[in-house]
Amino acid sequence: DVKVTQSSRYLVKRTGEKVFLECVQDMDHENMFWYRQDPGLGLRLIYFSYDVKMKEKGDIPEGYSVSREKKERFSLILESASTNQTSMYLCASRRRTGSYEQYFGPGTRLTVT
Amino acid sequence: KNQVEQSPQSLIILEGKNCTLQCNYTVSPFSNLRWYKQDTGRGPVSLTIMTFSENTKSNGRYTATLDADTKQSSLHITASQLSDSASYICVAAYSGAGSYQLTFGKGTKLSVIP
Repeated sequence: DVKVTQSSRYLVKRTGEKVFLECVQDMDHENMFWYRQDPGLGLRLIYFSYDVKMKEKGDIPEGYSVSREKKERFSLILESASTNQTSMYLCASRRRTGSYEQYFGPGTRLTVT
Repeated sequence: KNQVEQSPQSLIILEGKNCTLQCNYTVSPFSNLRWYKQDTGRGPVSLTIMTFSENTKSNGRYTATLDADTKQSSLHITASQLSDSASYICVAAYSGAGSYQLTFGKGTKLSVIP
């Protein structure tokens, strides 16, 4: 059974704090993604990675960075959290070739106060 | 610009009734179209994926159709259940110039009431 897990379901942080969101997949997928989801806006791609130590900016990378030191783990970093980063964050993974299927984690609801 | 438009934005139906959700997309070059179900506070779960050569695909009580000529897709839910209450997201994938990207619709929020 495929699995994408995220380190926290709910997180509350203060403005200016450094925030780490962790994502782990057990499917040996090459591609991993971070999205944020806001009401009325749908899912928007923040960053993605197609291999270890590789990263590409998505549509809204400002204020975020990522790290992929191991194939199974993809971290999203908010260097200095701001209230406009309050959102639902979703991690996903997909095999680079073959199946089109993309699997999502359960999401992290981040609140920045 | 690649876009996915879904309608209606929200829908309320009685348990046991059927419903159809609509999706119009403009992505190029088109690769495949997928429907996801997202329960409140959870990550999306795939229902169907269709390439341009497929015009219908079923997953239990869910049936998706695809018209690649008109760039339209629909998701039909038969004999709705309370557990069908969720957001349904249409996603169009495009592939070209060495990249493969997804464009997400904003979703249709379905509420099934007893």
